[in-house]
Amino acid sequence: GQSLEQPSEVTAVEGAIVQINCTYQTSGFYGLSWYQQHDGGAPTFLSYNALDGLEETGRFSSFLSRSDSYGYLLLQELQMKDSASYFCAVRDPGFQKLVFGTGTRLLVSP
Amino acid sequence: SAVISQKPSRDICQRGTSLTIQCQVDSQVTMMFWYRQQPGQSLTLIATANQGSEATYESGFVIDKFPISRPNLTFSTLTVSNMSPEDSSIYLCSVDGAEDTQYFGPGTRLTVL
Repeated sequence: GQSLEQPSEVTAVEGAIVQINCTYQTSGFYGLSWYQQHDGGAPTFLSYNALDGLEETGRFSSFLSRSDSYGYLLLQELQMKDSASYFCAVRDPGFQKLVFGTGTRLLVSP
Repeated sequence: SAVISQKPSRDICQRGTSLTIQCQVDSQVTMMFWYRQQPGQSLTLIATANQGSEATYESGFVIDKFPISRPNLTFSTLTVSNMSPEDSSIYLCSVDGAEDTQYFGPGTRLTVL
């Protein structure tokens, strides 16, 4: 099976940098994805890492270390609108389904 | 990308009744996924719906409780049967996109009294 653990909550102030960690245990591994979900909204795709290293997309970056079964999402220049829940996810190799992490609620304060 | 709509967006139901949620995609897709998200929790996959075959249910979810239809490549329904307050959740449908992305509908917020 697949399991992904994340911190339940992270707080930060506007303009700061925050890192949201994800550790996973999987029976097979294709890559790690990240999704953002605002309260009352649908999850939206942020990034995907298939290989080790850092992927940068604007203010957001995502990192993967397959040897450590670990990844993180880095949010820079935080804005109030970044307050949301963030989920890491992996694809189950046998059934093509997406398995989500426990989720991290990010609270950005002025 | 895919645009997904869901109906209803929210509903309040009495225990013992059933609710059918509709999911419409703007393009043809092989698989559609149904998730449940309980308040403050992560997303849990209920089942995968393939057109022309029976849905594949995850552990803990059964067809009698969550019957699914998939009549064509752009549409699916999920029924929540014989509801209890524990079924109060957000129900989301989704489809795969390119590069391991998944697109989600806006969700159906269900409250069971």
